[in-house]
Amino acid sequence: AQKVTQAQTEISVVEKEDVTLDCVYETRDTTYYLFWYKQPPSGELVFLIRRNSFDEQNEISGRYSWNFQKSTSSFNFTITASQVVDSAVYFCALSENAGGTSYGKLTFGQGTILTVHP
Amino acid sequence: DGGITQSPKYLFRKEGQNVTLSCEQNLNHDAMYWYRQDPGQGLRLIYYSQIVNDFQKGDIAEGYSVSREKKESFPLTVTSAQKNPTAFYLCASSIGYPPYEQYFGPGTRLTVT
Repeated sequence: AQKVTQAQTEISVVEKEDVTLDCVYETRDTTYYLFWYKQPPSGELVFLIRRNSFDEQNEISGRYSWNFQKSTSSFNFTITASQVVDSAVYFCALSENAGGTSYGKLTFGQGTILTVHP
Repeated sequence: DGGITQSPKYLFRKEGQNVTLSCEQNLNHDAMYWYRQDPGQGLRLIYYSQIVNDFQKGDIAEGYSVSREKKESFPLTVTSAQKNPTAFYLCASSIGYPPYEQYFGPGTRLTVT
């Protein structure tokens, strides 16, 4: 069975600090997909990134960057120069590439609450 | 604008009553999903549907029922058999296979007293 662990329950930083959110996953599949979502106080989840298991290149999007390491089963998310608007709950999720009745099914981590203070 | 609509935002019911949460999408997505979120926890999958007139149970389907009569609609009924129905319910949709990102609605916060 697949599992996602976000060991950091809450993180608090001051604006302009860099912060890394950890995500460790477990799966028996060789083909799988990893996601990060942001949940602001409004409650709606916002998609941030999707990465498949064959693409280990790190990705940068503005102040956001992701580090995918298959050797350690980790998919960590870094926010550079954090801002107050980054305050939210961040979820890491895993989807296996199983066909049939289970495709697209996401397993979520518990989430990390990030608070950025002015 | 394309997106997912969930209504209402807040819903209050008495214990023992069934309640139906609506979810509509105009993204032309094949797959739709229902999740439940409890305070301080991640999302747990209730039901999902890959195509019209077909759906599968997720991890916590007991006490819930769904239908998928139209591609754009995937209503969730919380029955009186659900022991702890108070929660935040999120609907999502995606293109489908292989696993693409899911897009979420604004959610419905259900309180049962």
